[in-house]
Amino acid sequence: GAGVSQSPSNKVTEKGKDVELRCDPISGHTALYWYRQSLGQGLEFLIYFQGNSAPDKSGLPSDRFSAERTGGSVSTLTIQRTQQEDSAVYLCASSRKMTGLSYNEQFFGPGTRLTVL
Amino acid sequence: AQKITQTQPGMFVQEKEAVTLDCTYDTSDPSYGLFWYKQPSSGEMIFLIYQGSYDQQNATEGRYSLNFQKARKSANLVISASQLGDSAMYFCAMRENDNAGNMLTFGGGTRLMVKP
Repeated sequence: GAGVSQSPSNKVTEKGKDVELRCDPISGHTALYWYRQSLGQGLEFLIYFQGNSAPDKSGLPSDRFSAERTGGSVSTLTIQRTQQEDSAVYLCASSRKMTGLSYNEQFFGPGTRLTVL
Repeated sequence: AQKITQTQPGMFVQEKEAVTLDCTYDTSDPSYGLFWYKQPSSGEMIFLIYQGSYDQQNATEGRYSLNFQKARKSANLVISASQLGDSAMYFCAMRENDNAGNMLTFGGGTRLMVKP
């Protein structure tokens, strides 16, 4: 079946411009996550959506970052007034709803490489 | 304090030999899960293996096994019979069950290079 898809795969923008990154999760997955991976680093959690619940925004680095998830499916991560330190790969993942101690693997998309000049 | 620590930024292994990638973690949650992901140069994150904190036996998946030492809070990944295609970044991650978001916390990764 189709995996997590993200678009665009690469985005180059000028400092100060706004960008939108899109994530299309696996059909039926109610949980959606955004992570950021700076060059040579591990992944940093940004935001989490679970069904219709309020998103967990605890990982967003500043108020320039926001995300929406429409209809419980597609998500858009928006970065306003981009800065050079925003340059990174932005990864989206989805999973089935967590239940108790069972684990549900997070399936990752290919990422969007953002370069802010 | 770092929740996930991977102390080996880079490692070499000879093809067909076994290699152990280290991971230590820090949590006060009694229930948690530990994950290993592989990230080849193409960038995708590939799930390898999972260990739950209450699992009695070490997890195994094909050539991958997890040396889980709960008291020492370590979850080392063992890759047996290394192949050239195993060359990649490897990330250890933890999910804490009392974290309502269930997001993963990742270590800094280990770059594994398999020599022919």
